[in-house]
Amino acid sequence: NAGVTQTPKFQVLKTGQSMTLQCAQDMNHEYMSWYRQDPGMGLRLIHYSVGAGITDQGEVPNGYNVSRSTTEDFPLRLLSAAPSQTSVYFCASSTSHNTGELFFGEGSRLTVL
Amino acid sequence: AQSVTQPDIHITVSEGASLELRCNYSYGATPYLFWYVQSPGQGLQLLLKYFSGDTLVQGIKGFEAEFKRSQSSFNLRKPSVHWSDAAEYFCAVGAGNFNKFYFGSGTKLNVKP
Repeated sequence: NAGVTQTPKFQVLKTGQSMTLQCAQDMNHEYMSWYRQDPGMGLRLIHYSVGAGITDQGEVPNGYNVSRSTTEDFPLRLLSAAPSQTSVYFCASSTSHNTGELFFGEGSRLTVL
Repeated sequence: AQSVTQPDIHITVSEGASLELRCNYSYGATPYLFWYVQSPGQGLQLLLKYFSGDTLVQGIKGFEAEFKRSQSSFNLRKPSVHWSDAAEYFCAVGAGNFNKFYFGSGTKLNVKP
């Protein structure tokens, strides 16, 4: 059982480049979300989705785009990368049927030069 | 607005000593509270959660936490720390229908031999 799978694990970008972080889950969870983790700031919610076709903004959505065309996949797009987006990104899934436990991917470390 | 405060950034304890990690939350409704642990280079793993009922909840790895509504606190405790407990610990509050979570900034635990 793979759980939540994120790719790539590491990525280096130049300022202004675009890229997509992929996230897939095989647990049929209705909820998926993206967090960024920065030293001393914990995890901050970027975007989340409550089901296919439905997304909403979290605490720090600027500079990021998401879509959810299937239950399984929830990609995070950086349209024009900035050094402030250097961070570790975590995708997570959850369901109301298991009392809210978040299942995390292993993270994607992004560096923007 | 929802928020979670973990006042201790770093804590060092000796192996075998007791541990208490502090967490205070701000949330308008009945909170759903969680503690997660993150080992280096890994995603987050759920330690325990509180939804309702008994205010002392037991989790994995010998951890427990006590919900105190009057103090808006959800402190994590362990009677005897093991070297393998060295990690970063995050307190979180769940909002909505388990689709949004707000995390504290984390407490890094070091364990002295």
